[in-house]
Amino acid sequence: GAVVSQHPSRVICKSGTSVKIECRSLDFQATTMFWYRQFPKQSLMLMATSNEGSKATYEQGVEKDKFLINHASLTLSTLTVTSAHPEDSSFYICSALPGQGSTDTQYFGPGTRLTVL
Amino acid sequence: AQSVTQPDIHITVSEGASLELRCNYSYGATPYLFWYVQSPGQGLQLLLKYFSGDTLVQGIKGFEAEFKRSQSSFNLRKPSVHWSDAAEYFCAVGATGTASKLTFGTGTRLQVTL
Repeated sequence: GAVVSQHPSRVICKSGTSVKIECRSLDFQATTMFWYRQFPKQSLMLMATSNEGSKATYEQGVEKDKFLINHASLTLSTLTVTSAHPEDSSFYICSALPGQGSTDTQYFGPGTRLTVL
Repeated sequence: AQSVTQPDIHITVSEGASLELRCNYSYGATPYLFWYVQSPGQGLQLLLKYFSGDTLVQGIKGFEAEFKRSQSSFNLRKPSVHWSDAAEYFCAVGATGTASKLTFGTGTRLQVTL
């Protein structure tokens, strides 16, 4: 149980285009989802917290107009990288929280490798 | 703000040998602590977690970790490593007494030699 999927797993796009990444909780409902970014040989950095039916909360330094997050249902959150540039190339990982308790555990997706040419 | 340090970037052990991965945290109150493992092409999988109670925590795949408040540490151990344990291991701390908003360490890559 507690499986989170991401689609696509890998995407290559041209500079200036937009890319949408989907994160789905397959066997549970997630009121909260998180989006992380991971650079090579570095740790995961939290980008934003996404709550179903409300606006996402972005971490300091993350451009909300560049990284659009939508959490339209209890099983789906999307991250759209708008007008992507090579510096946006990274590994994007989502996670989902099955409940609202303080001790609930996040379940992570397999990640999406974005390469911007 | 909380922080996590994993001092070892890369560790190599022989199959069958014991393993200890170090994790030190900085946090003002009792932390929520986690160890995750990341294999290539796969998401992070939770190995174990500590919220309160017994400071020696048992996890999946034969891993355990011990919370030592006096040393601000939460080291991961396994008595006998298998080749399939080769992966990236991340220690994380939860913000403000919650399992959400995790702060991760930089990870330790484990290589297992046969």
